[in-house]
Amino acid sequence: GESVGLHLPTLSVQEGDNSIINCAYSNSASDYFIWYKQESGKGPQFIIDIRSNMDKRQGQRVTVLLNKTVKHLSLQIAATQPGDSAVYFCAESQAGTALIFGKGTTLSVSS
Amino acid sequence: DAGVIQSPRHEVTEMGQEVTLRCKPISGHNSLFWYRQTMMRGLELLIYFNNNVPIDDSGMPEDRFSAKMPNASFSTLKIQPSEPRDSAVYFCASSFEGGDGYTFGSGTRLTVV
Repeated sequence: GESVGLHLPTLSVQEGDNSIINCAYSNSASDYFIWYKQESGKGPQFIIDIRSNMDKRQGQRVTVLLNKTVKHLSLQIAATQPGDSAVYFCAESQAGTALIFGKGTTLSVSS
Repeated sequence: DAGVIQSPRHEVTEMGQEVTLRCKPISGHNSLFWYRQTMMRGLELLIYFNNNVPIDDSGMPEDRFSAKMPNASFSTLKIQPSEPRDSAVYFCASSFEGGDGYTFGSGTRLTVV
C-alpha cells in the first residue's frame, strides 16, 4: 500500500543551528500533510500542517515545505533548542482517510 | 480541556488473557482513531470511527482485536486472547472533521508476557 517515509532516521545538530527534517511520500492523491513531535513517554504532538494547495507554511520557528512534483515534505526548525530534541513524524492523508505516518526521525540537539 | 484520556497508562498481562484499553476523546471531536506503535513498525493505524461508526478497520491485525465506540465520549480496544507480539504502545487520537490534525492521548504501554 501507500506509505510515507523519511530520508534519515537520526539527525544531530548544535544548539542554535537550523534543522531540516525530510520526508518522502508516495501517494500522489494525498492532499493533507502534517508534522508531529514525540517526546519520550508521550503521545505525538501537532507541530504544523499544510494542504496540497500550498507549498509553504510558517509557524513559530518552524516552516513546512511541500514539493508535490517530487512528493517531498520538509520541516525546518530555526534556532534549534535542546527542548526540540524528540522524534519527528510526517504523516499524510487524503479526503476521507486517516493519517498514515512515516517511521520518524530522531533529532538530537547538543548544547 | 483535559485532552484525550487513555487508561490504563501501563498494562502487564499474561499471554492468553483479555486486555481492554480505554479512551475518552476530546468533547466535540467526532472522529476517533486507534494507533499502535512499535520500534519495528512505527505508528500503525488500527481502526478509526467517525460519528461513532467504524469507517476503516483494515489495520486491525486479526480477529483477536476488536474496537467499539458506544457513544461519542468513549471507545474501547479489546484484545482477546493477548499474545506477546501484541506488546506495544497503543494510542488513541481524536479530531474534529475538517479541523487540523489529531490530538493524541498519552498512550497505553501494553506488555504481554
